[in-house]
Amino acid sequence: GAGVSQSPRYKVAKRGQDVALRCDPISGHVSLFWYQQALGQGPEFLTYFQNEAQLDKSGLPSDRFFAERPEGSVSTLKIQRTQQEDSAVYLCASSRAGRISGNTIYFGEGSWLTVV
Amino acid sequence: GQNIDQPTEMTATEGAIVQINCTYQTSGFNGLFWYQQHAGEAPTFLSYNVLDGLEEKGRFSSFLSRSKGYSYLLLKELQMKDSASYLCAPAGTGRRALTFGSGTRLQVQP
Repeated sequence: GAGVSQSPRYKVAKRGQDVALRCDPISGHVSLFWYQQALGQGPEFLTYFQNEAQLDKSGLPSDRFFAERPEGSVSTLKIQRTQQEDSAVYLCASSRAGRISGNTIYFGEGSWLTVV
Repeated sequence: GQNIDQPTEMTATEGAIVQINCTYQTSGFNGLFWYQQHAGEAPTFLSYNVLDGLEEKGRFSSFLSRSKGYSYLLLKELQMKDSASYLCAPAGTGRRALTFGSGTRLQVQP
């Protein structure tokens, strides 16, 4: 596609509910990233995929967070038993190559999650 | 780990010049990115520096000093639409994902 697409754009979840956030990266992009952004803060790294392999999940805040990219394209970030502190914007990003140097990362518009 | 420090907020006047500083510490160095983020929107790429010096791109320029762990973003001829957050993101070696600073919220006033 033309850009990184995320859905849903907005999600209100009751505390304890499970949510799934979807990311469609730019076609052919090898690398895919998930970030969490709280209001007034910069994006915080959650996890990174190179094709279907999850190479870094060091930023996932707890075992309630799970991400997958089974066919190396679309990715899903799942949050189980949501809590109020999970309220944030979840940004997905992709880049063409599997390295940072000189390699622009393109962001989606984000999924805004509010846990009530 | 990485430490990134940039001012939280800045205010400037339309037509003026503003410099947004960023100091950082990384494990190794693989370049530094600046992103712009308007409220409620996705971050968009502005610049990438891997060598020391100034890179100019229209009204925006970015400077890097690797030895000092220092970068700045220079915005000239400010326009109201430049009101946004500006995110500094140095890339360390050994990591494939960018780490972002908290961002500098710039408000351009008439």
